[in-house]
Amino acid sequence: AQSVTQLGSHVSVSEGALVLLRCNYSSSVPPYLFWYVQYPNQGLQLLLKYTSAATLVKGINGFEAEFKKSETSFHLTKPSAHMSDAAEYFCAVTTASRGGADGLTFGKGTHLIIQP
Amino acid sequence: DAGVIQSPRHEVTEMGQEVTLRCKPISGHDYLFWYRQTMMRGLELLIYFNNNVPIDDSGMPEDRFSAKMPNASFSTLKIQPSEPRDSAVYFCASSLQGNQPQHFGDGTRLSIL
Repeated sequence: AQSVTQLGSHVSVSEGALVLLRCNYSSSVPPYLFWYVQYPNQGLQLLLKYTSAATLVKGINGFEAEFKKSETSFHLTKPSAHMSDAAEYFCAVTTASRGGADGLTFGKGTHLIIQP
Repeated sequence: DAGVIQSPRHEVTEMGQEVTLRCKPISGHDYLFWYRQTMMRGLELLIYFNNNVPIDDSGMPEDRFSAKMPNASFSTLKIQPSEPRDSAVYFCASSLQGNQPQHFGDGTRLSIL
């Protein structure tokens, strides 16, 4: 079984400041990790994914995340926050333990607030 | 290129009624997933299909919930009878392969009065 912990249900940063959203995972087999963003009244949009290739993953909208196996972490960062980044962010994990798929296990989400 | 399409976007009904949610996955995707999102429990996997066959339904909360995928381009999630605690946003997602990113629909916001 796998699990995801997102530290901080709300994170507030100033426009132009560094964004750091924390995600720690637990998995008994090598994981596949994802970050999704959800805007109000919309579905989830993929930001980036880690699937056992490069540990530093670049995604859309200037976001990136680094997979650290020793820390079981997959934190999401962006050097400079924009007002349009205000949304809910979800970290998710899945495995290919059965050679096919498991559904995604999501963290509780982090609401990112951008202060002008 | 059309994404995952869900209908209806909003559903309000009285408890005891049957509710049917619909999903059209992205063409060519072999996997289809149903999730439920609530404030209390966050995003939960309900069931998923591979090539139209249900693989894991352990997340389906009760026998009142059922899901079908009669063909590669259509799936339904049915609640009968519905209860107020079923109120949530239900998402459908599809992916090419199991460990590939899942593409989500815009969800169905269900309110049971």
